[in-house]
Amino acid sequence: EVQLVESGGGLVQPGGSLRLSCAASGFTFSSYWIHWVRQAPGKGLVWVSRINIDGSTTTYADSVKGRFTISRDNAKNTVYLQMNSLRAEDTAVYYCARGDLYYYDSANYWGQGTLVTVSS
Amino acid sequence: DIQMTQSPSSLSASVGDRVTITCRASQSITNYLNWYQQKPGKAPKLLIYAASTLQRGVPSRFSGSGSGTDFTLTISSLQPEDFATYYCQQSYITPLTFGGGTKVEIK
Repeated sequence: EVQLVESGGGLVQPGGSLRLSCAASGFTFSSYWIHWVRQAPGKGLVWVSRINIDGSTTTYADSVKGRFTISRDNAKNTVYLQMNSLRAEDTAVYYCARGDLYYYDSANYWGQGTLVTVSS
Repeated sequence: DIQMTQSPSSLSASVGDRVTITCRASQSITNYLNWYQQKPGKAPKLLIYAASTLQRGVPSRFSGSGSGTDFTLTISSLQPEDFATYYCQQSYITPLTFGGGTKVEIK
């Protein structure tokens, strides 16, 4: 069974940092692109970042470029999202999602999400 | 960035109704269009990718159509478990962008 489990969310002050993890199981992790998507309370979905199968290609939304870094450890079946210089507008549930094998920007499995709250 | 516009933003329907949701892209995205369903407090679920390909395990009452800039998600006979919010997403070019969502409520 495909599973994605996010962790690392919590309450952080503006300007602070957090590292989210996405632990994967049930599939050949190193063959799939992984995405991060966030959803502010009561709002819609916003794509944040993606990483290719070996970590050599990463892409970001303009709103997080230069502040967030996505990475992966294929030996640990885990993707990370390092979030620095956090702002109140980064408050959201953060989901990791697996891309389809061929349509890698179509997210066919999602984790349950982890809540990040940026507040003083 | 490509803007995705969904309509309506919400609708009320009864079990058994045929429901249609539209999504318009600000420029051509050929068929790089995905549809997701999200229920309260849950993660999104992929329903359709490549505009019209049903994701494995999704009931056949869901269908997608369109190409270029105009797309449609149709639920042929609305079931109680279909009450949710639906999002379109373009995967033609980054940044990947979602529509604002369509909330399907019980009439």
